[in-house]
Amino acid sequence: DAKTTQPPSMDCAEGRAANLPCNHSTISGNEYVYWYRQIHSQGPQYIIHGLKNNETNEMASLIITEDRKSSTLILPHATLRDTAVYYCIVRVGWGSEKLVFGKGTKLTVNP
Amino acid sequence: SAVISQKPSRDICQRGTSLTIQCQVDSQVTMMFWYRQQPGQSLTLIATANQGSEATYESGFVIDKFPISRPNLTFSTLTVSNMSPEDSSIYLCSVEGGVNTEAFFGQGTRLTVV
Repeated sequence: DAKTTQPPSMDCAEGRAANLPCNHSTISGNEYVYWYRQIHSQGPQYIIHGLKNNETNEMASLIITEDRKSSTLILPHATLRDTAVYYCIVRVGWGSEKLVFGKGTKLTVNP
Repeated sequence: SAVISQKPSRDICQRGTSLTIQCQVDSQVTMMFWYRQQPGQSLTLIATANQGSEATYESGFVIDKFPISRPNLTFSTLTVSNMSPEDSSIYLCSVEGGVNTEAFFGQGTRLTVV
């Protein structure tokens, strides 16, 4: 079973920041938080991951609470192409650990 | 990064037949993963394929229905056997990029069983 809980859907205006929350209250000390997105039945695309520090890359920022029980993915300037299902996954950070997908959040960016 | 090529990208098959899906990676990887995504649903792991050993299947998936081959470190196949309309799904291949890196996915095979 997925170890994360996400809202089923969210809307965001184009050009505004999209803040996608994720609860992972049972996360273990060696588990990372990963974010993927899936654009209309394409293969999932990696966005970002982190352990306990906030992370930023060219796509997004990841804010993890101090107790690590929740996190927020931030798309700073959402575009229409960011409309997708976003999956928050917790897993051990190295290979061989399978990805367990929850239901994700359907983000719709509106013009 | 890893580039994954899946074939076919889509197919329409008759019930009772079988379809073999191919997954080719542009680099050697230890583990490959096969997922199923039923219409409107999230991804579900079918099995993990290691080179040189039998695949490890998740609960609810069996080898007779979803036989997997892993002949080398860059290639794997998934066969969907004796298909029924309930097997209509997108099937995705995935690989790990390495220690503390992300997983990479193919574009999927969209299967429709009629």
